[in-house]
Amino acid sequence: QLQLLESGPGLVKPSETLSLTCTVSGGSISSTDYYWGWIRQPPGKGLEWIGIIYYSGTAYYNPSLKSRVTISVDTSKNQFSLKLSSVTAADTAAYYCARRESSGNYFGCWGQGTLVTVSS
Amino acid sequence: DIQMTQSPSTLSASVGDRVTITCRASQSIISWLAWYQQKPGKAPKLLIYEASSLESGVPSRFSGSGSGTEFTLTISSLQPDDFATYYCQQYNSKVVFGQGTKVEIK
Repeated sequence: QLQLLESGPGLVKPSETLSLTCTVSGGSISSTDYYWGWIRQPPGKGLEWIGIIYYSGTAYYNPSLKSRVTISVDTSKNQFSLKLSSVTAADTAAYYCARRESSGNYFGCWGQGTLVTVSS
Repeated sequence: DIQMTQSPSTLSASVGDRVTITCRASQSIISWLAWYQQKPGKAPKLLIYEASSLESGVPSRFSGSGSGTEFTLTISSLQPDDFATYYCQQYNSKVVFGQGTKVEIK
C-alpha cells in the first residue's frame, strides 16, 4: 500500500528557506506513470497547489510561487523535496505531499501533512 | 487564470438528506474536475475525478456530474461519516482548487 510521509522543521524564521521532504513507501517514485506533488493549506483556509515533479526531474510550479519554489527528486532514496525561499507569515500552512495520478493532474494519494509555522 | 467558485460555502443537513454542492469554473474546463473530502486535521481524500468517475473504494452514494463550467457533487443519502469539507479542483490548466464547502450537522 502506497504511503507518503512528510518530514522537516515545524518552525522556520521569516526570510529563511522552508525545506520539506516526502518519503514514498510501498511504491517506486521512479514509476513512469506518476508525478509527485506538493499542496499547502493555511490554517482554516483552502488548498493551494505548489507544484509537481517527475522522477526524471521535470518540474512544474504554481506561477504565483514559482520564483521562490524548487522541487527536487532523489530516486535512490525514494524521496522528493520542497524548498520555499524568503518565507513570510503568509507561508504558514500545513504542507502535503501527494501522488498525481496517471490519468490527470489530480491527487489520489496524500501524505498526512505537516504544519510549518513561520515565526521569529 | 481559471477561478473556481463553490456554493454554498456552508451547508447544514441531516443524516439521510440528499446533498448537492456546486462548483463553477470561470472558463470551460471540459471535464477536468476532481472532488475531494477533507476532515479536520486530515489530508484530503479523492472522491471523484474527470467530473463523474468514482474513485475506487468511494461509496456509491457519492456522484459527480457536469461539464464545461458547471459541476455538481451529490451525496444521495448523507451519512454521519460524510460531515466534512468538500473541495473541487480543476486540472484543465494548471491546478486550482475551489474555496471549499463545509457540510455540517443541522
